[in-house]
Formats: sequence, C-alpha cells, structure tokens
Amino acid sequence: KQEVTQIPAALSVPEGENLVLNCSFTDSAIYNLQWFRQDPGKGLTSLLLIQSSQREQTSGRLNASLDKSSGRSTLYIAASQPGDSATYLCAVRIKATSGSRLTFGEGTQLTVNP
Amino acid sequence: GAGVSQSPRYKVAKRGQDVALRCDPISGHVSLFWYQQALGQGPEFLTYFQNEAQLDKSGLPSDRFFAERPEGSVSTLKIQRTQQEDSAVYLCASSSNNRGLSNQPQHFGDGTRLSIL
Repeated sequence: KQEVTQIPAALSVPEGENLVLNCSFTDSAIYNLQWFRQDPGKGLTSLLLIQSSQREQTSGRLNASLDKSSGRSTLYIAASQPGDSATYLCAVRIKATSGSRLTFGEGTQLTVNP
Repeated sequence: GAGVSQSPRYKVAKRGQDVALRCDPISGHVSLFWYQQALGQGPEFLTYFQNEAQLDKSGLPSDRFFAERPEGSVSTLKIQRTQQEDSAVYLCASSSNNRGLSNQPQHFGDGTRLSIL
C-alpha cells in the first residue's frame, strides 16, 4: 500500500526566507506527483504537477523536484511571503488497474511571519 | 462555472439522519473523485467515476456511503444513518483524464464540511 509522509508537520519562518518542504512515498510506481496548497476552510489549489518521467517543475517562486527511485520530492519556496502561509500537501497518483486515485500526505502547515 | 462547485458548503445533521452532498465538476471533465478529509489530515480517497461509471469504490468506509453520477456530470455522495465519525470535509475533484491517460491534474472544489451531532 502506498504511503506518503511529509516532513515537517509544521514550519514557522520569517518573511523573506527560502524554505524546503519534504515529501516521501513508499512505492515508486507512480504516474505523477502533485503539490497542493490548502487555505483554512478551503479546497485544494494545485501548485505543481511533476510527471514520473520529469525531474522538476517550476512556477514563479516555487520549484518542485522528484526523485522517483528514492521515493522523494521537495517543494522549494523562494523569498517566502506572509501570503504563502497555508497547509501544503503532496499527493502521488499511483498506477492502478482501475482509476488513478491520489494518495496524500498529511501536509506541512507553513506560517510566514511578517 | 470555471471550477468545481460543491454544495452545501456546510451541513449539520443529527446522528442517524441521511445526508446528500452535491458536486458539479468542471464542464467536460470525464473523471470525478470524492475524498474525505478529517481535521488535520490529508484527504483520503473514497470513490472514482469515469463518466457515469463508478470504476472504483474501494475507499468507501461502509455500505452507508453511496455515490452516483447518473448522467456523467453532476455527482451526489449520500451517507445514510450518519454517525459522529462521519464528520469531516468531503472534497470533490475532477480531471480531464481518459482512462488511459493519467497525466492531468485533479481540480478540487472547496468541499462540504459535514458535522454530525
């Protein structure tokens, strides 16, 4: 069974700092990995999607990497801002015979202090 | 609308009542997923539809949970004889994947927050 772990569970940083969120998964047979942002009381906003054949994806101040063989992904946030405060979730899409569900980690709760 | 729409946003029910949660996916999206998110946890998969066909319901926690998508668009998640442990946020997601293509992102609604008293 695929398991996804995110470290740390919570992180508090001063504004302007660069930071890294970590995600690990136990089964490397994945189609892709997706990073989401979730604000309190809201749904999930997709940030980056990395296909299994890719090593990284970038969007603005965000960079996500994928090392499928070791079962790891990182989300790098440059020059953090208070508006980045949210819970960040990673999810892997597993290879299955029926459908392609996402398996989520428990998230990292990020607070960026002004 | 441009995104996935879920209703109601909040639902409070007494233990033992039946509830129905609605999801309007992005127009044209063939794949639809339901997830359950407990407080402080990541979402957990419940069930998956490809058009009107329910292809995977292995995540439904009990036979009190039932989902349908009769015309391949709007979906309803029904919970019968609700229990306190059913309290959670129920998220719906859709994607444009066809069965053989799993490389498109899932787009999520804001969820329905269900509280069972």
